[in-house]
Amino acid sequence: DIQMTQSPSSLSASVGDRVIITCRASQGISNYLAWFQQKPGKAPRSLIYAASTLHSGVPSRFSGSESGTDFTLTISSLQPEDFATYYCQQYNNYPFTFGPGTTVHMK
Amino acid sequence: QVQLVESGGGVVQPGRSLRLSCAASRFTFSLYSMHWVRQAPGKGLEWVAVLSYDGIIEHYADSVKGRFTISRDNSKSTLDLQMNSLRVEDTAVYYCARDVGVRGVILGIDNWGQGTLVSVSS
Repeated sequence: DIQMTQSPSSLSASVGDRVIITCRASQGISNYLAWFQQKPGKAPRSLIYAASTLHSGVPSRFSGSESGTDFTLTISSLQPEDFATYYCQQYNNYPFTFGPGTTVHMK
Repeated sequence: QVQLVESGGGVVQPGRSLRLSCAASRFTFSLYSMHWVRQAPGKGLEWVAVLSYDGIIEHYADSVKGRFTISRDNSKSTLDLQMNSLRVEDTAVYYCARDVGVRGVILGIDNWGQGTLVSVSS
């Protein structure tokens, strides 16, 4: 199975900060990488698929990029509603696998 | 907008069975592959299974293979998850989710239900 790792596991940031979360796949997954946001007690929300394509309605401050087996989620200017946990997921190989998550806390 | 509503969760003893359902609406259900994803209390997300738009191709996580079965009824726009031989470690919120791709193309999850809680305990 493909293992997904995320770094950092958590971070503290302030409104307006640029935030970068990294996800690494244990082997090549092309661009079959998605990002999700989840707030406590809520269902996940889909942000990005195909490594860099934003889902409809997702603000443009979110962006995704890839470099080999490394993927990044960038929030260009953190907003109050962005404090949450973020997960990556590969869907290139079965079984699909999620990263362990990165929690963005308020500084 | 897309609506996915799960039902069927509850408390069940280890070794018993439970069937979850997901009612889909406001989109053409028969065009989309569908997933189940779960989340144990206080833990991360775990992908469980996927079923193609036509109900022919299915894949499972290793942790549930041979015990869980995903199925769909396109005439009723429903997705099911039959869970047999349940274990304590199957305790989780189970989410039904739609793939953004159509007619068998897997492009990733775009819409999620609100989830239903399954608790396996003696």
